[in-house]
Amino acid sequence: AQSVTQLDSHVSVSEGTPVLLRCNYSSSYSPSLFWYVQHPNKGLQLLLKYTSAATLVKGINGFEAEFKKSETSFHLTKPSAHMSDAAEYFCVVSDRDDYKLSFGAGTTVTVRA
Amino acid sequence: EPEVTQTPSHQVTQMGQEVILRCVPISNHLYFYWYRQILGQKVEFLVSFYNNEISEKSEIFDDQFSVERPDGSNFTLKIRSTKLEDSAMYFCASTRDQGWNQPQHFGDGTRLSIL
Repeated sequence: AQSVTQLDSHVSVSEGTPVLLRCNYSSSYSPSLFWYVQHPNKGLQLLLKYTSAATLVKGINGFEAEFKKSETSFHLTKPSAHMSDAAEYFCVVSDRDDYKLSFGAGTTVTVRA
Repeated sequence: EPEVTQTPSHQVTQMGQEVILRCVPISNHLYFYWYRQILGQKVEFLVSFYNNEISEKSEIFDDQFSVERPDGSNFTLKIRSTKLEDSAMYFCASTRDQGWNQPQHFGDGTRLSIL
């Protein structure tokens, strides 16, 4: 069975500074990993996905994430935060034998002007 | 870009009443899912559906829940006799192909409030 732990429930950054959202996963097999973003009163939008190709994955809106098997981590980063990045971010895992998604608890990002 | 659409955006229902949440998946997608998120908790898987059958369901998806694809476009979640604890945001998702590496496309959700 797979699971995800998001290490920070809330991250606050200043506009223009880097963002780091931490995620550790547990998986029986080779996992697929995703980051989704949820803006207020909106659905879940896919930011990026890792599916056993390149370990550094680039997504939309300048986000990227690095898969580190030895650390069972899939941290999300962005070099320069924008006000529009304020949202809730979910790290999500799916196993090879289990197509349903398992979500982390989410990290709320606030961006200070 | 094609989207998953869900209606209504907000549903208020008396406890014990039946409720139907509706979803229109992306048109060429074949695999459908429902998830829910109780306020302050994780998003949880409810059920997956393919070829007019349930593929997998969670422990949450008991006899009070059912899913249906009544026509070529809609995918519905029915709760037969709602309880207070069914209050949550319900998300529909779809994928074109099956596989652990397929990202699921989500709708904006239906907020269900049980009084």
